[in-house]
Amino acid sequence: DIQMTQFPSSLSASVGDRVTITCRASQSINRNLIWYQQKPGKAPERLIYTASSLQSGVSSRFSGSGSGTDFTLTISSLQPEDFATYYCQQSYTTPFTFGGGTKVQIK
Amino acid sequence: QLQLQESGSGLVKPSQTLSLTCAVSGASISNGGYSWSWIRQPPGKGLEWIGYIYHSGSTYYNPSLKSRVTISVDRSKNQFSLKLSSVTAADTAVYYCARERAGLDPWGQGTLVTVSS
Repeated sequence: DIQMTQFPSSLSASVGDRVTITCRASQSINRNLIWYQQKPGKAPERLIYTASSLQSGVSSRFSGSGSGTDFTLTISSLQPEDFATYYCQQSYTTPFTFGGGTKVQIK
Repeated sequence: QLQLQESGSGLVKPSQTLSLTCAVSGASISNGGYSWSWIRQPPGKGLEWIGYIYHSGSTYYNPSLKSRVTISVDRSKNQFSLKLSSVTAADTAVYYCARERAGLDPWGQGTLVTVSS
């Protein structure tokens, strides 16, 4: 199985901050990387697919980059509604696997 | 608008079989190009992909659960189902269904299944 490692596992930030979350795959997954946002008690929602494509309806303050094994999710200016847990997932090969999550908390 | 809705038993006894259904509305499950997945999330923990079924009926299961999992599709009802046998407390989780292509979207709201006697 491809292991997906996210870091940090949690972070505290203020509204307006620029936030970067990293996801590393245990082997190359090309650009087959998806980012999700999950709020408490809700299902995850896709934010970014194929590493950098923005899901329709998602704010442009979210962006994704990377290829191969190293990927980043950036929130350019953190908003109150962005406090949530973020997960990466590889869709390069089965079994699809997720990172452990990054919880973004209010500072 | 495509929507998915999970349903099934919320409480299952150890060693029994967990059964869930995902009803799909707003699109036909028989349309090509997508697979239909089950994912689970133990309380307070991360996400685990269980498996998927294609519109053709072919399936793929996570090897960690393969011996206990069956995913099937009922095209007449536009729904797909999950069965997980020989459950233990470790199978307690919120179970989600989702459509898959370049990631999972959309997801159902999820249903909590508790394994307890």
